[in-house]
Amino acid sequence: NAGVTQTPKFRILKIGQSMTLQCTQDMNHNYMYWYRQDPGMGLKLIYYSVGAGITDKGEVPNGYNVSRSTTEDFPLRLELAAPSQTSVYFCASSYLRPGTPTGELFFGEGSRLTVL
Amino acid sequence: RKEVEQDPGPFNVPEGATVAFNCTYSNSASQSFFWYRQDCRKEPKLLMSVYSSGNEDGRFTAQLNRASQYISLLIRDSKLSDSATYLCVVNEMNTGFQKLVFGTGTRLLVSP
Repeated sequence: NAGVTQTPKFRILKIGQSMTLQCTQDMNHNYMYWYRQDPGMGLKLIYYSVGAGITDKGEVPNGYNVSRSTTEDFPLRLELAAPSQTSVYFCASSYLRPGTPTGELFFGEGSRLTVL
Repeated sequence: RKEVEQDPGPFNVPEGATVAFNCTYSNSASQSFFWYRQDCRKEPKLLMSVYSSGNEDGRFTAQLNRASQYISLLIRDSKLSDSATYLCVVNEMNTGFQKLVFGTGTRLLVSP
């Protein structure tokens, strides 16, 4: 099992450009998440999905979009990149059984994005 | 007040030392609690869950005090490989969706 795979690992964008961060998991997890981590800050949830076709906003969704057409894939789209989106982005997945309050998060290795 | 608060450290300790980290949380309705470990420029990984009765995994002991709303992590006999940032994570559990709130982390440096 590869686990959670994110691409690209590094990217430099110019202000106003757009890009998509790819995330795929091969563990058949129902939940998937996108977080961002800024220096000295905790991970902040951008978007999450509880299953294919279902997505919802997290704490800091502005400037981002997601889709979940399959169980495996959960891409994050940045439209009109801004310097404030310079961050490390982590995709994660977990498996929650009905009635189970929580499950371990498995993270990808992260994508370091710089917007200049 | 931050939802999950940790002392950022760094905690500098020699090998073999015992070190303890605390974490406080603001939402009294929080359901479950975890410690994640994050190595420099790497992704977080689950270290251990924290149960009401306290739990131990080798050199690591986690405890929960619901009345005072804090969680602790004790590391005994520190190893060089324990050097990392330890993230306190609280599940605020919002109607079927696990709302995980991460602390900013406590950095541990273990020296020879």
